[in-house]
Amino acid sequence: GENVEQHPSTLSVQEGDSAVIKCTYSDSASNYFPWYKQELGKGPQLIIDIRSNVGEKKDQRIAVTLNKTAKHFSLHITETQPEDSAVYFCAASIEGIKAAGNKLTFGGGTRVLVKP
Amino acid sequence: EAGVTQSPTHLIKTRGQQATLRCSPISGHTSVYWYQQALGLGLQFLLWYDEGEERNRGNFPPRFSGRQFPNYSSELNVNALELEDSALYLCASTSYTGELFFGEGSRLTVL
Repeated sequence: GENVEQHPSTLSVQEGDSAVIKCTYSDSASNYFPWYKQELGKGPQLIIDIRSNVGEKKDQRIAVTLNKTAKHFSLHITETQPEDSAVYFCAASIEGIKAAGNKLTFGGGTRVLVKP
Repeated sequence: EAGVTQSPTHLIKTRGQQATLRCSPISGHTSVYWYQQALGLGLQFLLWYDEGEERNRGNFPPRFSGRQFPNYSSELNVNALELEDSALYLCASTSYTGELFFGEGSRLTVL
């Protein structure tokens, strides 16, 4: 089955700096790669996703890149703010095949702390 | 539009007891997933229900079971509770667009 590894497990940055989180996946059939943000006491929320037909996607201060050949993808947060402090999860799944459902395999998570 | 709702928010049980957690998906979603999140990190896939049937289960013992009702809501049952079952149990639903929408979770504490 799919295995997703995520690094680093914790990341402390100064407000205004950039944060980068990296993930690798093992199943070359995976074609959907979402990133979730989980704030304390809440469920994970999707912040950005990328599909395997795209190499990069950006949404305001966050961007995700995908390297299918190397089987890795990354989340970039620029101009970090204190409200970016949370746990971030990467995930992978096979989209478009009903038998696979949308079962996401998650990375271990990165606890991001943005210091004011 | 209401999101995924889970109940109860918190549940305290003792070892050997049974716990039942409930989930209502977003209206129109037929697929429900259950994940276990222990120690504040790491979501482990538990169960996937679609259109009333169990489609897949993760690497968990049979004392973790569940079902999906005709209205697509779902129930997770954990029998013979053990201390290590203490975790946040998250339910998510999807309409096959790729995105899973998560509820806020049910925190189970086993004493």
